[in-house]
Amino acid sequence: SQELEQSPQSLIVQEGKNLTINCTSSKTLYGLYWYKQKYGEGLIFLMMLQKGGEEKSHEKITAKLDEKKQQSSLHITASQPSHAGIYLCGAAGRGNQFYFGTGTSLTVIP
Amino acid sequence: DAGVIQSPRHEVTEMGQEVTLRCKPISGHNSLFWYRQTMMRGLELLIYFNNNVPIDDSGMPEDRFSAKMPNASFSTLKIQPSEPRDSAVYFCASKLGGSTEAFFGQGTRLTVV
Repeated sequence: SQELEQSPQSLIVQEGKNLTINCTSSKTLYGLYWYKQKYGEGLIFLMMLQKGGEEKSHEKITAKLDEKKQQSSLHITASQPSHAGIYLCGAAGRGNQFYFGTGTSLTVIP
Repeated sequence: DAGVIQSPRHEVTEMGQEVTLRCKPISGHNSLFWYRQTMMRGLELLIYFNNNVPIDDSGMPEDRFSAKMPNASFSTLKIQPSEPRDSAVYFCASKLGGSTEAFFGQGTRLTVV
């Protein structure tokens, strides 16, 4: 099965600071998905990356998929308390499986 | 569309009881996933269905767990008998085939005492 490892496991930043979360796959990624989860709630889709070198942005969140398609990074610029939550990367495997990374818990201190 | 609907939102049951979690996927989606989320293990894929057919149930922890999808609009995850270590949040998700994102329900928080 495909394994996704995220780093760091948790992150505490001051409001206004930039931060990066990484997601590394044990296999080539055919589709990489970023989700955000508020504590105690369901997962909210942020964005999807498919092509090597692809980069997408949504408001102050930017995600990239590296050329070799085995790593993705999620970058938040000028973090705000509303960015707090758990960020999960997900990957589509063969046979339409859908796996998730270990998650990164983000706390933004006002 | 109302999105993926799970019920109940919260379930508290005694050890040894049978628990049934329910999921209604988004209409038209042909893949359905059941996940379990705990602090220790994160989000684990338990089982998924394509076109109502179970494809991979290797994530189901034990024979006490079973899942069914009798039709395209309904799935159940059953635990019998339940144990305290089954306490977790169980999520259901659905998606279209191909390179599309999965949509998640709000989850069922299960507590087994």
